[in-house]
Amino acid sequence: DAGITQSPRHKVTETGTPVTLRCHQTENHRYMYWYRQDPGHGLRLIHYSYGVKDTDKGEVSDGYSVSRSKTEDFLLTLESATSSQTSVYFCATQGGGHGYTFGSGTRLTVV
Amino acid sequence: GQQVMQIPQYQHVQEGEDFTTYCNSSTTLSNIQWYKQRPGGHPVFLIQLVKSGEVKKQKRLTFQFGEAKKNSSLHITATQTTDVGTYFCAGPGSGAGSYQLTFGKGTKLSVIP
Repeated sequence: DAGITQSPRHKVTETGTPVTLRCHQTENHRYMYWYRQDPGHGLRLIHYSYGVKDTDKGEVSDGYSVSRSKTEDFLLTLESATSSQTSVYFCATQGGGHGYTFGSGTRLTVV
Repeated sequence: GQQVMQIPQYQHVQEGEDFTTYCNSSTTLSNIQWYKQRPGGHPVFLIQLVKSGEVKKQKRLTFQFGEAKKNSSLHITATQTTDVGTYFCAGPGSGAGSYQLTFGKGTKLSVIP
């Protein structure tokens, strides 16, 4: 969906390095989410935001932090990347009480 | 915490056959949502069911929400190769968690031409 852009689309990084993934939306949606998707685990919520500077932890938040300084941007930071954080990361937004709109995803490989 | 379970995990069907995936929640849901993810793609919202016993149709897809609002199903009639993908159900939490969705692990559908 053109209203949500994730960057980068692909990234390879080394163990122990910090990594930041960006999600940018043009929908003016209040709620934003970061999920990771792994085989056998489906989609698991990492962190979410319910407004500027308002964030909370999800199911698998250890090792991740987020920031939302503007409505349109939601950043996910891996403070010190580990191989277990190799995954596909999806950003999603929700507005108007309807379903989520997902970004195209970021494929992250930690070597 | 809330759990959403989906079965089967995988389904292989011959083109033209029907397909059904089932979703069960450990808690009563205010609504249930269904998503489709094509191979290599991202999840795309299909539909939301809100009422007990609700049935909605989208062309060859029929969605049902159980009377107790704890289970749901997606049925595809006469599958086509364009139906290939993983189908997820998702339910919101309660109270302060109502804007967080818990996803089932999905049913991966393969269609043999």
